[in-house]
Amino acid sequence: GAGVSQSPSNKVTEKGKDVELRCDPISGHTALYWYRQRLGQGLEFLIYFQGNSAPDKSGLPSDRFSAERTGESVSTLTIQRTQQEDSAVYLCASSWGQTSYEQYFGPGTRLTVT
Amino acid sequence: AQSVTQLGSHVSVSEGALVLLRCNYSSSVPPYLFWYVQYPNQGLQLLLKYTTGATLVKGINGFEAEFKKSETSFHLTKPSAHMSDAAEYFCAVSYGGATNKLIFGTGTLLAVQP
Repeated sequence: GAGVSQSPSNKVTEKGKDVELRCDPISGHTALYWYRQRLGQGLEFLIYFQGNSAPDKSGLPSDRFSAERTGESVSTLTIQRTQQEDSAVYLCASSWGQTSYEQYFGPGTRLTVT
Repeated sequence: AQSVTQLGSHVSVSEGALVLLRCNYSSSVPPYLFWYVQYPNQGLQLLLKYTTGATLVKGINGFEAEFKKSETSFHLTKPSAHMSDAAEYFCAVSYGGATNKLIFGTGTLLAVQP
């Protein structure tokens, strides 16, 4: 079956511009996560959605970052007024739900801010 | 704060040699433990996980890991390295709860020499 998909795969933007990253989770997965992977570092948790519950935004690094999810489907991560330190690979993962420990990852979006 | 430490950002082994990638976590509360592998330009793939039960867990591609509570460790091993094992390996933990987010180590890049 189809895995987690993300688009675009690569995005180059100028400092100060806004960007939107998209994630399509595996069908039926109610939980969705966004992580950030900066060069030479591990993945950092950004935000978590579970069904129609309020998202856990505790990992968002600043108010320039926001994310939305429509029901149990597509999610978009928006970064406003991008800065060079936002350059990273943004990974999305989904799982069956809160009690499922296995997260399935998409291929990521490589964001470069020039 | 909980953290995950992977000793050795780069490990090089010869084909056919033992692979040992180290992972330690910081919490006194045993977490759920995971190893993920990331091939170039791909998302993360789950190799194996420990949640409960037997402390020696077997995963895909001949890898296994042993949870040692007394050492707060979850080292990854493979008896005989193959060229196709060259990739980056991430250890991660989760403490369940409302989010079940993963906390990652900084990764170990495994090179396999012919």
